[in-house]
Amino acid sequence: DIQMTQSPSSLSTSVGDRVTITCRASQDISNYIAWYQQKPGKVPKLLIYLATTLQSGVPSRFSGSRSGTDFTLTISSLQPEDVATYYCQNYNSPPITFGQGTRLEIK
Amino acid sequence: QVQLKESGPGVVKPSETLSLTCFVSGFPVNSGYFWGWIRQPPGKGLEWIGSIFHSGTTYYNPSLASRVALSIDTSKNQFSLRLTSATAADTAVYYCARTLGGSAANPFLFWGLGAPVAVST
Repeated sequence: DIQMTQSPSSLSTSVGDRVTITCRASQDISNYIAWYQQKPGKVPKLLIYLATTLQSGVPSRFSGSRSGTDFTLTISSLQPEDVATYYCQNYNSPPITFGQGTRLEIK
Repeated sequence: QVQLKESGPGVVKPSETLSLTCFVSGFPVNSGYFWGWIRQPPGKGLEWIGSIFHSGTTYYNPSLASRVALSIDTSKNQFSLRLTSATAADTAVYYCARTLGGSAANPFLFWGLGAPVAVST
């Protein structure tokens, strides 16, 4: 199975800051990675797929990038409503695997 | 608009079978997308359980494959999960979901609200 190593596990930063979350795949998954946002007590929401494609309706401050087997979710300017846990997901082929999650808080 | 809703017992005794059904509205389950189950233990991350196509093609998480079976009923527009020999480690919120695209190699776009299941005596 492909392992997705996500870092950091938690992050506390200020409104307006640039935030970067990383996932490293244990082998090549091409661009088959998605990023989800899960607010406390809520359902996961798809933010980005195919590493860089923004899902419809998602604010443009969210972006994704790829360098080999390293993938990054960036929030360009953190907003209070971005407090959530973020997960990466490998969907290159079954089995589908998720990263461990990054809990994002506001200082 | 695709809507999914999980239905299940809430509590299952250890060693018994955990069964959940996902009722789909606003979209036919035989329309060429994969339908999946994902679970989340309390305070923990997401774990994919398996996915099913309307043809009956299934993919399972290898860690659960010996205990899991997915099925789909196109006449009732629903799909189901059965997990045998339940233990406390199966306590979780169980989500059903539909993929963004028509192959198994797709993220999940539409999700149900989740059904909490506790395995307990």
